[in-house]
Amino acid sequence: ELKVEQNPLFLSMQEGKNYTIYCNYSTTSDRLYWYRQDPGKSLESLFVLLSNGAVKQEGRLMASLDTKARLSTLHITAAVHDLSATYFCAVGITLTGANSKLTFGKGITLSVRP
Amino acid sequence: EADIYQTPRYLVIGTGKKITLECSQTMGHDKMYWYQQDPGMELHLIHYSYGVNSTEKGDLSSESTVSRIRTEHFPLTLESARPSHTSQYLCASSEKMTGPTPQFFGPGTRLTVL
Repeated sequence: ELKVEQNPLFLSMQEGKNYTIYCNYSTTSDRLYWYRQDPGKSLESLFVLLSNGAVKQEGRLMASLDTKARLSTLHITAAVHDLSATYFCAVGITLTGANSKLTFGKGITLSVRP
Repeated sequence: EADIYQTPRYLVIGTGKKITLECSQTMGHDKMYWYQQDPGMELHLIHYSYGVNSTEKGDLSSESTVSRIRTEHFPLTLESARPSHTSQYLCASSEKMTGPTPQFFGPGTRLTVL
């Protein structure tokens, strides 16, 4: 059974500083996704990582994937208040043919303080 | 505009009532999903569908049922609501392609059963 672990589960960040959060998974995967969720809202897709060594950047966020270590990292550069949210990673596996599923981690809640 | 819609957004209902949560997408996606998410917790897949007349149960046991009579519509029904069903329900959709594909999420329905 695929397990997805995120850490830390909660991170209090100081404005302007850099941080990294992690997503580990237990079995070989096709793809890894990062989503953002604001309180009481739905999930917004941030990144899709397709292969070993993949790196994607959007603004102050940069996501990378190491399929050999079964690890994805999300790096935050110079944290700002707008980044306060819960960040989920989800790991995709192919079942049969075109059938696939995502397994989500518990999410990491980021809070940026002045 | 291509999007995924859920209604109602909020629902407060008494125990024993039958309810249907609606989900529609105009993205032309074949695959659709229902997730249950308690506040501050991870998402659990409760139902999914790969196309018309295809429905499967997800990882988390649920007393709800779903149907997929039209590609764009994937309603979820609870025959007799209980307080334990109080949660947020998120609908998602994705393309039918080989391998896992990104899922796009609706705004969610926050259900409270008294």
